[in-house]
Amino acid sequence: TQLLEQSPQFLSIQEGENLTVYCNSSSVFSSLQWYRQEPGEGPVLLVTVVTGGEVKKLKRLTFQFGDARKDSSLHITAAQTGDTGLYLCAGEKAGGSNYKLTFGKGTLLTVNP
Amino acid sequence: ETGVTQSPTHLIKTRGQQVTLRCSSQSGHNTVSWYQQALGQGPQFIFQYYREEENGRGNFPPRFSGLQFPNYSSELNVNALELDDSALYLCASSLRSVSSPLHFGNGTRLTVT
Repeated sequence: TQLLEQSPQFLSIQEGENLTVYCNSSSVFSSLQWYRQEPGEGPVLLVTVVTGGEVKKLKRLTFQFGDARKDSSLHITAAQTGDTGLYLCAGEKAGGSNYKLTFGKGTLLTVNP
Repeated sequence: ETGVTQSPTHLIKTRGQQVTLRCSSQSGHNTVSWYQQALGQGPQFIFQYYREEENGRGNFPPRFSGLQFPNYSSELNVNALELDDSALYLCASSLRSVSSPLHFGNGTRLTVT
């Protein structure tokens, strides 16, 4: 059972365009983390959101946690070729420890020059 | 600060064989988690080790086992390899606290033929 659904699965855009990727679930999470993974490497943490409705910005990336803590979005403004990679969301269940993160399948983003 | 290192980077095994993968955690981190990432999928939690004991396990059979050593390094052992065990095996270290971010290694690519 895939608890976290990410969409779209694939996204190919031109440099300079804006994009949004989504992470949805029917489960409530105590926190949600976004990672970026490049070929041949492990995932690298971008951000952790904890509070429902929280918005965090990391340069051109804006992350939002849904009010009900069941979904999240990642918006990239003026995408650059260096943004290319697999974007993974991972949820930590409410009441749990950090011992088990549930990952989505990811959105594979390609930014073309 | 030394990051998470995994060895070997690539491995080819035959069905039925046994394999041991190794992980050195980031300095200062006391918890190690192992994830399996099949092609086109997000990472799936295998288990976590804290203070040399298993501290949570995902939906993997007993032929997947692990160890953590006093220096917090860890091993993942897989017995009776099956073709479906072919995947990228990721090790992540962290502190044992809620919402503590995971620091991933670059993984071991295991191919079972």
